[in-house]
Amino acid sequence: ELKVEQNPLFLSMQEGKNYTIYCNYSTTSDRLYWYRQDPGKSLESLFVLLSNGAVKQEGRLMASLDTKARLSTLHITAAVHDLSATYFCAVFDYGGSQGNLIFGKGTKLSVKP
Amino acid sequence: NAGVTQTPKFQVLKTGQSMTLQCAQDMNHEYMSWYRQDPGMGLRLIHYSVGAGITDQGEVPNGYNVSRSTTEDFPLRLLSAAPSQTSVYFCASSPGYPPLHFGNGTRLTVT
Repeated sequence: ELKVEQNPLFLSMQEGKNYTIYCNYSTTSDRLYWYRQDPGKSLESLFVLLSNGAVKQEGRLMASLDTKARLSTLHITAAVHDLSATYFCAVFDYGGSQGNLIFGKGTKLSVKP
Repeated sequence: NAGVTQTPKFQVLKTGQSMTLQCAQDMNHEYMSWYRQDPGMGLRLIHYSVGAGITDQGEVPNGYNVSRSTTEDFPLRLLSAAPSQTSVYFCASSPGYPPLHFGNGTRLTVT
């Protein structure tokens, strides 16, 4: 059974600082996705990572995937208040129902001035 | 474009009642799916469809039915509501995999 663990679950950071959110998963997969959710809102697709070593960047966010370590990271550079949201990673489960993504519990990020 | 439209936004049901959550997309996407989100949890897949006339179960399908008679619509039916189905429900669509466009959600409370 594929399990996805995100760390930390809560993150309070100051503007201008850097930080990394970690997403570990328990069984083999080479497809990993990052989503953002603002409070009371829907999910927004951020990154699609489809191979070992994949790296994607958008603004102050950069995501990478290491399939051998079963680890993805979401790195935040020089955080700004607008990045405050909950970030989810989701891993494609080859062993489960076709089309099943297994989501982590999310990392609630709060960026303070 | 409206994108993915879910109705209603809020619903309160009594135990045992049935209802249908509506989901419509205007992007001609083949892949549609329903997820539920519980507090402090990620999303869990209920049912999905890869095209009109084709549906399949996800991770937590019990108590829910779906059908896909058109490309645009993918309703989710609760057969006999239970308090355990209190959740926020999201519909998603995309041209293929993975789900890229999510609706704004339906917040369901079962008393």
